[in-house]
Amino acid sequence: GESVGLHLPTLSVQEGDNSIINCAYSNSASDYFIWYKQESGKGPQFIIDIRSNMDKRQGQRVTVLLNKTVKHLSLQIAATQPGDSAVYFCAELPGGTSYGKLTFGQGTILTVHP
Amino acid sequence: GAVVSQHPSWVICKSGTSVKIECRSLDFQATTMFWYRQFPKQSLMLMATSNEGSKATYEQGVEKDKFLINHASLTLSTLTVTSAHPEDSSFYICSARNRAGQYFGPGTRLTVT
Repeated sequence: GESVGLHLPTLSVQEGDNSIINCAYSNSASDYFIWYKQESGKGPQFIIDIRSNMDKRQGQRVTVLLNKTVKHLSLQIAATQPGDSAVYFCAELPGGTSYGKLTFGQGTILTVHP
Repeated sequence: GAVVSQHPSWVICKSGTSVKIECRSLDFQATTMFWYRQFPKQSLMLMATSNEGSKATYEQGVEKDKFLINHASLTLSTLTVTSAHPEDSSFYICSARNRAGQYFGPGTRLTVT
């Protein structure tokens, strides 16, 4: 997969709504996927991960869905809060956690309005 | 646990000078460290991968003589931007990996005037 240097798409939601952020990946060999949250001026913060032998994984207020057929990943945030405003990146990694290079997707700017 | 620090958090330097950025894994030993660069409103781009005691592997298009990486120990990697120019102004993020996962530092904002 490749990370492209394009400007980031945006998603604006109202506080309390559910948010869905999508990501397409390109490397069929990738078997581990991670969603990161990045606030302004900070490094990426781990949110949730999923392995390729799963199609859904839930965390606290977040759910990740993986569709390997179309190489698509989504992050669902329930009851979105203003503190969720950030840039969200998906990342893919071939070979699990010990090997390979983590490649970041394009990213989406999430803005939550009170 | 699994904290990665970077120093400095921000730096301003004049064109033509060199700047060193440190990356430390504070509470674990990292088998591999990575350096990323991020321009405003863009994604993280991997610059290089380094393993302790060996030469770094640079991604295509990244000048190894300009971005010097020294991985002196299992907890410390440094990135030196040599002869910096305004186009090197960016957000540099390091990451450290062990068997449990990969962890990111807070980033260093470099501004070259």
